[in-house]
Amino acid sequence: AQRVTQPEKLLSVFKGAPVELKCNYSYSGSPELFWYVQYSRQRLQLLLRHISRESIKGFTADLNKGETSFHLKKPFAQEEDSAMYYCALSGGATNKLIFGTGTLLAVQP
Amino acid sequence: NAGVTQTPKFQVLKTGQSMTLQCAQDMNHNSMYWYRQDPGMGLRLIYYSASEGTTDKGEVPNGYNVSRLNKREFSLRLESAAPSQTSVYFCASRSKRANTEAFFGQGTRLTVV
Repeated sequence: AQRVTQPEKLLSVFKGAPVELKCNYSYSGSPELFWYVQYSRQRLQLLLRHISRESIKGFTADLNKGETSFHLKKPFAQEEDSAMYYCALSGGATNKLIFGTGTLLAVQP
Repeated sequence: NAGVTQTPKFQVLKTGQSMTLQCAQDMNHNSMYWYRQDPGMGLRLIYYSASEGTTDKGEVPNGYNVSRLNKREFSLRLESAAPSQTSVYFCASRSKRANTEAFFGQGTRLTVV
């Protein structure tokens, strides 16, 4: 069964501090993993995907198959990073896409 | 480009009433999804359609039905609304190619009283 776990509902940091949003998954095959972000009053949008191995807005995420994790990191948080962040998992022929419960990142000035 | 369009944006229903949420995408995507978003629960998958002509239950399908009318449109129906269905509903679409991005509608805020 597919499952995504985000253990933190809220993460509050000061501007300039490092950020790590945790995501663990459960999936028997080869997972497709994503981070989506929802800024206030905006639609959900893709932040990054594991296959790209890229940095977007200073964020990176590494897939660790041994620990079944896909944590999102940023070395120096900015106030404009404040948003709801969702980890998502897809896989298989049905193209099913599920999300975690989300982590609200609040960056204090 | 319109992307994913949902209607209506807001709706208030009385318990027991029925309604259909509409969703249309203009990106020629094969797969479409309906989610509900509740505080502390994140985004939960209600139903999805991998391709035109197929629909599958997601994590929380009870109380809902869907119709994949054609490749563009995927509607969500509440036959007899309950207060527990008060939520924000999101439609999304996505290509069937691996590792592709899902595009979301702006959401429908539904209140059942």
